[in-house]
Amino acid sequence: SQTIHQWPATLVQPVGSPLSLECTVEGTSNPNLYWYRQAAGRGLQLLFYSVGIGQISSEVPQNLSASRPQDRQFILSSKKLLLSDSGFYLCAWSAAGGLFETQYFGPGTRLLVL
Amino acid sequence: QKEVEQDPGPLSVPEGAIVSLNCTYSNSAFQYFMWYRQYSRKGPELLMYTYSSGNKEDGRFTAQVDKSSKYISLFIRDSQPSDSATYLCAMSALDGANNLFFGTGTRLTVIP
Repeated sequence: SQTIHQWPATLVQPVGSPLSLECTVEGTSNPNLYWYRQAAGRGLQLLFYSVGIGQISSEVPQNLSASRPQDRQFILSSKKLLLSDSGFYLCAWSAAGGLFETQYFGPGTRLLVL
Repeated sequence: QKEVEQDPGPLSVPEGAIVSLNCTYSNSAFQYFMWYRQYSRKGPELLMYTYSSGNKEDGRFTAQVDKSSKYISLFIRDSQPSDSATYLCAMSALDGANNLFFGTGTRLTVIP
């Protein structure tokens, strides 16, 4: 069966510091991968998605970036964090191909920027 | 207007009650409809998904889709304290882009 991991689970960072969040998926090949941010009362906001190694699409212009160095690894980064980057970051995967495939979420990383 | 609207609640019910959770949407191209359950400080967990209009039942949970009214519902029968969570609706068009559009979630508390 498929499993999705995220780490760290919780992170407290000062404003202006760099960020690296990691997501890995087990038990599947060539998944579509997604990064979402969830802010209180505002639902899930899609940040990036990837259909393959090195292929990243950005949905929201901001100071965050994403990379996919390996088939089942997705990384969310920032060079300089802002206060507004605080939130709950969720990675998700779906099977590739077909008109639609259900997305499955990881456990999330809670980020607090102070 | 948001593409998906969901009453944020909070909703409190006594144990054993029937719970009705709802979402409305504006995009008539949506054809896949999902309900996720999210416990506090955890990632969303897929509960059910349905395609187009109709009902789908899974144990105590029933999902309903009314495309003519652009309205979807999740019913929980014999609610339990373990059902206390935030419920997110999500939907997608069959356009190959695999984009999901989420409601903001309804927070449910089932009181023992």
